[in-house]
Amino acid sequence: AQTVTQSQPEMSVQEAETVTLSCTYDTSESDYYLFWYKQPPSRQMILVIRQEAYKQQNATENRFSVNFQKAAKSFSLKISDSQLGDAAMYFCAYYRDDKIIFGKGTRLHILP
Amino acid sequence: NAGVMQNPRHLVRRRGQEARLRCSPMKGHSHVYWYRQLPEEGLKFMVYLQKENIIDESGMPKERFSAEFPKEGPSILRIQQVVRGDSAAYFCASSLGTGGAYGYTFGSGTRLTVV
Repeated sequence: AQTVTQSQPEMSVQEAETVTLSCTYDTSESDYYLFWYKQPPSRQMILVIRQEAYKQQNATENRFSVNFQKAAKSFSLKISDSQLGDAAMYFCAYYRDDKIIFGKGTRLHILP
Repeated sequence: NAGVMQNPRHLVRRRGQEARLRCSPMKGHSHVYWYRQLPEEGLKFMVYLQKENIIDESGMPKERFSAEFPKEGPSILRIQQVVRGDSAAYFCASSLGTGGAYGYTFGSGTRLTVV
């Protein structure tokens, strides 16, 4: 069975600095998708970034980028120039066969 | 486009009552997914439905929980005889076809509190 592990329950970063959130996953498949979702206090789940496993190039969306290491089954999220609005729970997720599996999340605090 | 609409946003039920959670998918989306989030946990898959069909209910508790997505109207997640352990946030998501590869569109969730 696929699992997603986020080993950092909480992290803090100074405003304008860079922070990296870690994620590892376990799968025997070669074709799948990975996501990072953001959940602010409003509870809304917001898709931050998406990675296709068959693409070696790391996905980038403005200040958000990933480091995808397929062999190591690692999928970390880097947030550059952190802003107060980035404070939220961040969930790493794996998708295959009509099912998204989420990690337990990392709570990110932004220090002004 | 109103997005995925869930109601109510908050629901309080006494132990033993029934809870009905509603989800209207995005316009044109015919696939609906329900997830449950316990406090300080990630979202756990419950059930995947298409119009009038349950495709995958492998995450649903065997008793007291049921889901439907009728031809007309919203998808309903029904919890009978609620217990304190059912207190959680329940999220609905929808996709256009099997569009999960692009990430689902989630609603804002219903927070169920059982007292």
